Amino acid sequence: AQSVTQLDSQVPVFEEAPVELRCNYSSSVSVYLFWYVQYPNQGLQLLLKYLSGSTLVESINGFEAEFNKSQTSFHLRKPSVHISDTAEYFCAVIGRWGTYKYIFGTGTRLKVLA
Amino acid sequence: NAGVTQTPKFQVLKTGQSMTLQCAQDMNHEYMSWYRQDPGMGLRLIHYSVGAGITDQGEVPNGYNVSRSTTEDFPLRLLSAAPSQTSVYFCASSYRTSGRSADTQYFGPGTRLTVL
Repeated sequence: AQSVTQLDSQVPVFEEAPVELRCNYSSSVSVYLFWYVQYPNQGLQLLLKYLSGSTLVESINGFEAEFNKSQTSFHLRKPSVHISDTAEYFCAVIGRWGTYKYIFGTGTRLKVLA
Repeated sequence: NAGVTQTPKFQVLKTGQSMTLQCAQDMNHEYMSWYRQDPGMGLRLIHYSVGAGITDQGEVPNGYNVSRSTTEDFPLRLLSAAPSQTSVYFCASSYRTSGRSADTQYFGPGTRLTVL
């Protein structure tokens, strides 16, 4: 079974400042890792994912995340945030083989301040 | 492509009533799932399906039924609504991977359900 921990429920940050949203996972098997973003009153949409290959993955709007197997982490970073990045961010994990049970973290609400 | 659609967008029920939340996708995805989202608890998996005729339970299945007669549709039935089922419900779909897992999920816009 897998589990996901997002320790920060809310992260306020000023516009153009860097941000890191933390995600740690627990699993006895190899996993796929995802970050999803949810804007107000909308469904979730994929931000980026790690399936295999390079441990550093990037999104089209400047976010990046690094898969760290030894620390079982998949932290999300952005060097300079915009007001439009204000949203809730969810980390998710699923086992690579023989399971269809996605596990989501409890979410981190990012609020970008002017 | 419409992607994943859900109806209704909003619903108010009285305790004990039953209803069906509809979900449809037009991407020919094998994997479909239902989640509920509650404040501070993230998304919790209710039921999922890996193809027509195949369903299984997630983390919080009690009080909900599903069936999957076609690839496109995956309705969620509340048998006897309770106030604890007040939540926002999301349907999602994705491709299955070669390793019998699931890739990126595509979410519907959600159904906000209130049970009085």
